[in-house]
Amino acid sequence: DAGVTQSPTHLIKTRGQQVTLRCSPKSGHDTVSWYQQALGQGPQFIFQYYEEEERQRGNFPDRFSGHQFPNYSSELNVNALLLGDSALYLCASSRQSEAFFGQGTRLTVV
Amino acid sequence: QQQVKQSPQSLIVQKGGISIINCAYENTAFDYFPWYQQFPGKGPALLIAIRPDVSEKKEGRFTISFNKSAKQFSLHIMDSQPGDSATYFCAASADNYGQNFVFGPGTRLSVLP
Repeated sequence: DAGVTQSPTHLIKTRGQQVTLRCSPKSGHDTVSWYQQALGQGPQFIFQYYEEEERQRGNFPDRFSGHQFPNYSSELNVNALLLGDSALYLCASSRQSEAFFGQGTRLTVV
Repeated sequence: QQQVKQSPQSLIVQKGGISIINCAYENTAFDYFPWYQQFPGKGPALLIAIRPDVSEKKEGRFTISFNKSAKQFSLHIMDSQPGDSATYFCAASADNYGQNFVFGPGTRLSVLP
């Protein structure tokens, strides 16, 4: 059983560009959340998707948006990239409370 | 009120010793407290989790102690091994659906051989 898979693993973008990150949840999981982890810090909650709807959102600007597909996979989109958006972006999936994380996408904005 | 405080920031323990990491929270609505282990370049991996209706939970060498009145919880790693060297995060959630976690800032554990 594959766990949570994220793609790509690494990405370099230029300031002002747009980026899309992808996540496939663990089999049987219907809820997907996205987190941003800056270097040396704990992950910060961006938003959560369930039944293709954004159910909860953290303190992130509208430049951060997402989508969940009928197969429960999800995308995170970030527009107008800033240097401060450089971070490890983590996807987590669960069916109830127990959440499993993917290995993340390392985004570098130059 | 949404913060989770974690200490120490870093910890060095000899092989076979006990590693103790402490966390504190303010939001009394939190009802689920997991601990995650993260190796460099990897995503966090769930170690052990507890709910406020119990004061202690043990899984192998890992034990969570929970003090609801003090709003504190801690992770004890018994017989620490060099392979335990990683960053540990406590987290808390008040989300009935799970996953909306507030994470502590992390503790970098080094276990010396």
